[in-house]
Amino acid sequence: QSALTQPASVSGSPGQSITISCTGTSSDIGSYNVVSWYQQHPGKAPKLMIYEVSKRPSGVSNRFSGSKSGNTASLTISGLQAEDEADYYCCSYAGISTYVFGTGTRVTVL
Amino acid sequence: QVQLVQSGAEVKKPGASVKVSCKASGNTFSSDYMHWVRQAPGQGLEWMGIIKPNGGSTSYAQKFQGRVTMTRDTSTSTVYMELSSLRSEDTAVYYCTNSSSWYPTLPYWGQGTLVTVSS
Repeated sequence: QSALTQPASVSGSPGQSITISCTGTSSDIGSYNVVSWYQQHPGKAPKLMIYEVSKRPSGVSNRFSGSKSGNTASLTISGLQAEDEADYYCCSYAGISTYVFGTGTRVTVL
Repeated sequence: QVQLVQSGAEVKKPGASVKVSCKASGNTFSSDYMHWVRQAPGQGLEWMGIIKPNGGSTSYAQKFQGRVTMTRDTSTSTVYMELSSLRSEDTAVYYCTNSSSWYPTLPYWGQGTLVTVSS
């Protein structure tokens, strides 16, 4: 099972919107509406930001939104803030009780 | 509030095995799916495997087949991950995390356990 493909880095100025893509295949993202997204700050455990493609857990800012089209999922951060600077990972079910993470994207706030 | 508390850091020699524990509290452990995820220094997250409720069946990433064993002890709400034939590339922080269903929705994570493999 190969990792889902994400851009290595994405940057934006405060207040701007950015979008992180997560590309898989018809065997993972394309077959299941269960993509989740995680934010990870250095030295910390990942934090769930989006689940089931577009749902937000309680306590997560509505500046974070998710979507999916075909084999690609996306995470959009609107109104970018300094605290959003972190690594972001997507995750999908890949069939036969296996799962796969994305390669990870470093978000930099300029 | 769900808490996952993992065992402490380990230093192992190449070829040895390591067993990491993860004790859960504040949740319905018996019905939770428990995952193990690792992260090598400066690298991304890597899914290793899952142990399911109701009998504790397991599924492992192909990369770890034959080297990893995940078990659960419902009497102590603890899951274990044992990785054998360690090599330097296994140096990483190992996390346990849980989901309430087969969906990859992982809201709670352990603090991570650093396993260092060095001669």
